[in-house]
Order: sequence, then C-alpha cells, then structure tokens
Amino acid sequence: SQQGEEDPQALSIQEGENATMNCSYKTSINNLQWYRQNSGRGLVHLILIRSNEREKHSGRLRVTLDTSKKSSSLLITASRAADTASYFCATDGAAGNKLTFGGGTRVLVKP
Amino acid sequence: GAGVSQSPSNKVTEKGKDVELRCDPISGHTALYWYRQSLGQGLEFLIYFQGNSAPDKSGLPSDRFSAERTGGSVSTLTIQRTQQEDSAVYLCASSFGQGRTEAFFGQGTRLTVV
Repeated sequence: SQQGEEDPQALSIQEGENATMNCSYKTSINNLQWYRQNSGRGLVHLILIRSNEREKHSGRLRVTLDTSKKSSSLLITASRAADTASYFCATDGAAGNKLTFGGGTRVLVKP
Repeated sequence: GAGVSQSPSNKVTEKGKDVELRCDPISGHTALYWYRQSLGQGLEFLIYFQGNSAPDKSGLPSDRFSAERTGGSVSTLTIQRTQQEDSAVYLCASSFGQGRTEAFFGQGTRLTVV
C-alpha cells in the first residue's frame, strides 16, 4: 500500500516557470523525503525534511511540511528542461523504519 | 562499492521459469529495500531488511516471491514460476538505517516475462 499520494499526477510547464507538487500521507512520520526519477530507472534523493521542520531549501528546491495536515509540497523555481522527470515523495514511520513511496508527479518542462 | 549495483540490467524470461535478481548495496548500509515499478506507476514496496532484524515481507505479492540477504550485504530477490504480470522494473535501494533513511537506488532490473 502507498503511504504518500502526489498531486497532480502530471504537470506541464514552460521553462522558467515554477513547478509545485504536493504529497499527502496517512500516518505519523519521522521524516519526509523527495526523490527524482529519470527514464524509469533509479531514483535520486533530492531533499529530506524532518517532522519537526516546516520548511527547507536546497538550491532551486523548496520543501514545506505541515504535519497537522499530513502534507508536504515541493517547489522547483525557475524550471529548466533538465528538470523534466518524475518526482516522488517518501515517508518513513515514526519508528524510522521502511520507506514508503507515493505514486509520483510527472513533470514536463518545455523549452 | 561506490553505489548500489543491480544485476542483470535486463532479463527476459519465459512464463513459468524462475528468476533471480541481485542487489549489491553500498558498503556499510544496514538497510536494504526492494521495490517494484510498473510502467508509469509508483514504487510498490516489496521487502525491507534492517540489520539482523527479521525482514519486513509485508509487500511481497505472493508466495512465489522471496528474498534473502546474506551476511548483511548482498540480497537476492527470487521469483518462482514467473507470470506475465510480474513484468516490471525491480528496484533495490540501501540506506544507513537506524533513522538515517536517505535511500540510494540502483538502476533497477527490467524484467519481461513472455
């Protein structure tokens, strides 16, 4: 079963625009992570936000976490064609055990 | 090794045959995960190993699927009597575990059952 659900399922934007995607989850978490996947193969870790944090930045990425709503958002600013990929959120339980992934958001950045 | 290594990269097998997929995690990582991903879909959790604890097998879809991790390192996922619906990319990941859950993924094995 999937813990996280991303929204939207797909997103198409022009280069230079911002891309925002959301993740909702069901149970208590230790942290929430975002990953990127190109070409349906291995995922790459982007950013981790702990349950006691509300916002985190890394380069052009901004992640927010609202534990009261059990939701997170990932913002990619000034998007580039190379940002075209699928983005997944993942959560681990409050006990810090297995990672469970959502269904992902497919992002297309048009040049 | 420098990263998580999976082999083979691609596997085509006939329906009914058994297959073994291998994963070499990053040295020192105590946690190892197997996921399955069908085309255009999310990651389906299969099994999770953490150190010497009993593995979490709650995601294995049927008793045709099994996995082991020898010596706390290399893992093998075995699918017996493969079916066409088993066709997918099988992804392995490892992490330091014990609360450090940032996962590093291999490139996956694309399994096609014909």
